[in-house]
Amino acid sequence: AQSVTQLDSHVSVSEGTPVLLRCNYSSSYSPSLFWYVQHPNKGLQLLLKYTSAATLVKGINGFEAEFKKSETSFHLTKPSAHMSDAAEYFCVVSDRGSSASKIIFGSGTRLSIRP
Amino acid sequence: DAGVIQSPRHEVTEMGQEVTLRCKPISGHNSLFWYRQTMMRGLELLIYFNNNVPIDDSGMPEDRFSAKMPNASFSTLKIQPSEPRDSAVYFCASSPQGPTTQGGKYGYTFGSGTRLTVV
Repeated sequence: AQSVTQLDSHVSVSEGTPVLLRCNYSSSYSPSLFWYVQHPNKGLQLLLKYTSAATLVKGINGFEAEFKKSETSFHLTKPSAHMSDAAEYFCVVSDRGSSASKIIFGSGTRLSIRP
Repeated sequence: DAGVIQSPRHEVTEMGQEVTLRCKPISGHNSLFWYRQTMMRGLELLIYFNNNVPIDDSGMPEDRFSAKMPNASFSTLKIQPSEPRDSAVYFCASSPQGPTTQGGKYGYTFGSGTRLTVV
């Protein structure tokens, strides 16, 4: 079985400073990992995904995440925050070797950007 | 591609009434998922279909909830009778993942959601 833990429910950073949203996972098989972003009153948009290729994954809007198997982590980073990055971010895990074909969402991290 | 299309975007209904939410997945995607999102419980998977067949409906809260997928391009989620605690945003998502070994390799594409308010 798989699970995912987002370590911070709320992160606040100043505009122009780095962003770090933390995610740890557990998986019985080889995991696929995803980050989704949800802006207020909007649907969820896929930011990036890891599916066993390069461990450093680049996504949209300057975000990237690194898969670290030894630490069972998939933290999301961005070098410089922009006001438009304020949103809810969800880390997601799926077992690629499982026939269950469903994915598990983390509880979300709300990112606030200070001017 | 127009993405996953949900209708209506907003629905306000009185307690006891029947509510039907609709979803059109991305053409060629063979898995479809219904999620519910609330402040208290976050995102909950209600049911998912693969090749129009319900695979797991363990997340459906009660018998008042039912979902169908009569063909590859259309699904409905029905609540009858509706109650105030059903108020939430309901998302539909689709994925091209296969039924057995692919798992969640591709990620999901979500619709914009239906905001349901039951008064």
